Amino acid sequence: QQKVQQSPESLIVPEGGMASLNCTFSDRNSQYFWWYRQHSGEGPKALMSIFSNGDKKEGRFTAHLNKASLYVSLHIKDSQPSDSALYFCAVSPDTNAYKVIFGKGTHLHVLP
Amino acid sequence: EAAVTQSPRSKVAVTGGKVTLSCHQTNNHDYMYWYRQDTGHGLRLIHYSYVADSTEKGDIPDGYKASRPSQENFSLILELASLSQTAVYFCASRVTGQLYFGEGSKLTVL
Repeated sequence: QQKVQQSPESLIVPEGGMASLNCTFSDRNSQYFWWYRQHSGEGPKALMSIFSNGDKKEGRFTAHLNKASLYVSLHIKDSQPSDSALYFCAVSPDTNAYKVIFGKGTHLHVLP
Repeated sequence: EAAVTQSPRSKVAVTGGKVTLSCHQTNNHDYMYWYRQDTGHGLRLIHYSYVADSTEKGDIPDGYKASRPSQENFSLILELASLSQTAVYFCASRVTGQLYFGEGSKLTVL
């Protein structure tokens, strides 16, 4: 069964700083990698996706994927207090593309 | 913007009672999902469906049933609610890989 693990559980960064969130998965054939963000009291919302090895940049957000190392990460540059939220990594196993498995999440706190 | 609406948004149920959580999407998405969120466990997949009249078990299906009577509607049914099923439940629909979540249904079982 696919396992998705995120670290750290909680992260505190100053406003303007860089936040780095990590995610490891167990199935090397996984094909679908997304990052979701959830603000308190809301449902999760998709932030960005990455499907190929390497980096993908969208504004202040950069995702990195290394399938051979079973690793995906999210880096937030120039962090803002509004970035404070719970961030999830989501992975879809190759054997069942319908199934989407989430990690436990990383709580990001950006201090003004 | 994809719209997924859940009802009820909040419910208090008694142990052993029946609970039905409903989900409606208006975007013609084929795939729909039910997740459960608990502190320390993240989002765990209960049931999912990729076509009307068919449902599949996720990772934690015990104690839950699902029903997909139409493309737009997907229900989660707790026939005999238990204390351990107190949680926030999220429904989602999916298109081209992206999940669109509802606002959640907070269930408290007493």
